[in-house]
Amino acid sequence: EPEVTQTPSHQVTQMGQEVILRCVPISNHLYFYWYRQILGQKVEFLVSFYNNEISEKSEIFDDQFSVERPDGSNFTLKIRSTKLEDSAMYFCASSPRLGEKLFFGSGTQLSVL
Amino acid sequence: TQLLEQSPQFLSIQEGENLTVYCNSSSVFSSLQWYRQEPGEGPVLLVTVVTGGEVKKLKRLTFQFGDARKDSSLHITAAQPGDTGLYLCAGDLSGNQFYFGTGTSLTVIP
Repeated sequence: EPEVTQTPSHQVTQMGQEVILRCVPISNHLYFYWYRQILGQKVEFLVSFYNNEISEKSEIFDDQFSVERPDGSNFTLKIRSTKLEDSAMYFCASSPRLGEKLFFGSGTQLSVL
Repeated sequence: TQLLEQSPQFLSIQEGENLTVYCNSSSVFSSLQWYRQEPGEGPVLLVTVVTGGEVKKLKRLTFQFGDARKDSSLHITAAQPGDTGLYLCAGDLSGNQFYFGTGTSLTVIP
């Protein structure tokens, strides 16, 4: 069964450093999402992406965040200058059609020291 | 403020018992989804409900969407240890952004 894959599974970085989280969505999906989950807290929406542009973003997704689909397969989330409070599990998801089932990856655990 | 409130937040029951988890909001959703999440994994979709009043069954799990499409419930009959996990509801307001509930952590004790 096709699945969303995320790399790396764990990322440790120093505060102020840039990180890039990578995702390979399911190949025929058109809608892509990033969510995050701080330990013990709920899953929070960050951004949705369709047709090579951001469709919606939350207030969490400020100027330090950016997303890109550099080629036909990868979908990346860049955090420019990481802060301690960015430590969380980051999930990528994709969907074949608007409003349909989200297929989630296994997440990248980001730890900012 | 939370868009979707789930209750209870934590639930620990004996194997064989029944339970109900609630997902409530003041907003109207075009659809609502229930996910289950295992530790260290991404959420996995259980069901999507679309029509107000809709009831869907998935083996021992029964999902209901409120008539006004603002709330939903998940009922598990004869819970098994394999049902242990974090249950999340997620509401779709615009199709581009699913809002997740606060989650219910279920533990089923053998």
